[in-house]
Amino acid sequence: QVQLVESGGGVVQPGRSLRLSCAAAGFTFSNYAMHWVRQAPGKGLEWVSLISDDGSGKYYADSVQGRFTISRDNSKNALYLQMNSLRPEDTAVYYCARGQQWLIKNWGQGALVTVSS
Amino acid sequence: IVLTQSPGTLSLSPGERATLSCRASLSVGRNYLVWYQQKPGQAPSLLIYDASTRATGIPDRFSGSGSGTDFTLTISRLEPEDSAVYYCQQYATSPLNFGGGTKVEIK
Repeated sequence: QVQLVESGGGVVQPGRSLRLSCAAAGFTFSNYAMHWVRQAPGKGLEWVSLISDDGSGKYYADSVQGRFTISRDNSKNALYLQMNSLRPEDTAVYYCARGQQWLIKNWGQGALVTVSS
Repeated sequence: IVLTQSPGTLSLSPGERATLSCRASLSVGRNYLVWYQQKPGQAPSLLIYDASTRATGIPDRFSGSGSGTDFTLTISRLEPEDSAVYYCQQYATSPLNFGGGTKVEIK
């Protein structure tokens, strides 16, 4: 059974940094691409970033390019999202998701990030 | 690729047919178009991928069709538990954009 558990969310001031983590279980983590997707309160889904199974390929939405960095540690079955220079518009629930190549098949329950002074 | 979903909201009675549209600004390669269902307070869940393939455990009242730039999700006989927001997404080209969603309300 695929399990994805996000952590590291919270309240942060504009311009500051935050790192989200996602603990994966129930599958061979190193065989799968992983995604981050976010959803602002009351809004739709926004794809944020994708990392390939071995970490060699990384892709970002224009809205976070240059500010966010996706990474993974296959020895720890862990996915990360380093978020720098945070803005109020980055306020959202951030979902970790497992990909079959680029298709998202499984989702975590999400972690809320609030950017506010 | 920009995805435009219509209508924004669909209000129908149980047993009726729901037709949801997802239109792409450019052709979606290999018809790599997916539909997700999201119920209030929950994470999205996979319904249909490759434009027309039902995910495991999805009832056959859900079907997907289309190719190129025009895609459709059809719910043949609405059940009360189908009340949700439905999103399309293309996974052919980065950025992997989502559509804005269609809210299905059951009267």
